[in-house]
Amino acid sequence: SQQGEEDPQALSIQEGENATMNCSYKTSINNLQWYRQNSGRGLVHLILIRSNEREKHSGRLRVTLDTSKKSSSLLITASRAADTASYFCATSGGGSARQLTFGSGTQLTVLP
Amino acid sequence: DSGVTQTPKHLITATGQRVTLRCSPRSGDLSVYWYQQSLDQGLQFLIQYYNGEERAKGNILERFSAQQFPDLHSELNLSSLELGDSALYFCASSVASQGGYETQYFGPGTRLLVL
Repeated sequence: SQQGEEDPQALSIQEGENATMNCSYKTSINNLQWYRQNSGRGLVHLILIRSNEREKHSGRLRVTLDTSKKSSSLLITASRAADTASYFCATSGGGSARQLTFGSGTQLTVLP
Repeated sequence: DSGVTQTPKHLITATGQRVTLRCSPRSGDLSVYWYQQSLDQGLQFLIQYYNGEERAKGNILERFSAQQFPDLHSELNLSSLELGDSALYFCASSVASQGGYETQYFGPGTRLLVL
């Protein structure tokens, strides 16, 4: 079953605009990760934020985490057509098993 | 390129058949994870192996099994295939250190089509 839900399911913006995707999850987590998937291809890791972190940056990406609300957001600034992809949040719980539980994903389309 | 390799890239087979998917993790990674991605179920965790031993099971059917070999490559065996098993199957690997905060690196996937 899916741990998280992503919002919106689909997002269409113009090149140069910012894109914000949200993820909510249900149980306590160790960390939360964001992945990108180009159509039908493998997942590419974007960023990992630990449960004790509130914000993290990587290039044009900014991720926030609010554990009290069990939610995270991914902001892509100055979007490019090449950013067109599906974006998934994935949570990892505690213990020795570190499998990821994925959200349903946001399909981002960046129009040139 | 994540460093995780999966073979084959595509597989077409018939219902009732058995297939084996192969995964080689990144050099140095001890954990291997298998995930299934389908339109109706999304991305779901199937099973995890760490250094040859099963570590965790997710939504893996009894018809499916996996193993991790001494050289750390892993195989996912799918038997008595049904139409609904058609999906993308991903392998991921991680160092699986005791720290608990680690990235999983995904392979390109195997696309399975059951006819």
